[in-house]
Amino acid sequence: QQQVKQSPQSLIVQKGGISIINCAYENTAFDYFPWYQQFPGKGPALLIAIRPDVSEKKEGRFTISFNKSAKQFSLHIMDSQPGDSATYFCAASQGQNFVFGPGTRLSVLP
Amino acid sequence: ETGVTQTPRHLVMGMTNKKSLKCEQHLGHNAMYWYKQSAKKPLELMFVYNFKEQTENNSVPSRFSPECPNSSHLFLHLHTLQPEDSALYLCASSQDRKANYGYTFGSGTRLTVV
Repeated sequence: QQQVKQSPQSLIVQKGGISIINCAYENTAFDYFPWYQQFPGKGPALLIAIRPDVSEKKEGRFTISFNKSAKQFSLHIMDSQPGDSATYFCAASQGQNFVFGPGTRLSVLP
Repeated sequence: ETGVTQTPRHLVMGMTNKKSLKCEQHLGHNAMYWYKQSAKKPLELMFVYNFKEQTENNSVPSRFSPECPNSSHLFLHLHTLQPEDSALYLCASSQDRKANYGYTFGSGTRLTVV
């Protein structure tokens, strides 16, 4: 119930393409769904987050789509750039319970 | 810099050594965390401190000993480690234990045990 599943494990996208990373959860009590971006040699940094009262949140080229009934949420990166190459982690939390997905390594080819 | 500073950035230690990792945050947060990040594994929560008090220890071996002298500083004391303890150790902080606005992570300490 506490697990957050994330796919794919790795993703290769051409510059200008759309990168899509999917996550699924079981615990319906989760009420906060952040995405973190981690570059090599750095710690994860909060990228964008959503709460279950909305189905979509957009910040620049990054969009979270949230499907409460399916217990799934996804990160879309539009016009992907080589500088977006990093590992992306989804997470889900409720109160003190904070669970991370295993991560997706994104490579954007120039 | 994210507001959470970790030192050292890299550490190589023998199995009989004793060393300490340091974390400092100037964000006014009240909760601090130690995470272990190993290759191809999810982030593993090790310890949680809330208002300087340890509130969680996720079955971490006693060769890892945390210390939180105040809300801004967190240490992880290491002794008699094993090669499988080699990993990136991340410190994080949040406003409070509920982390309603997520965590702020440091850049981590890359630990290699030889």
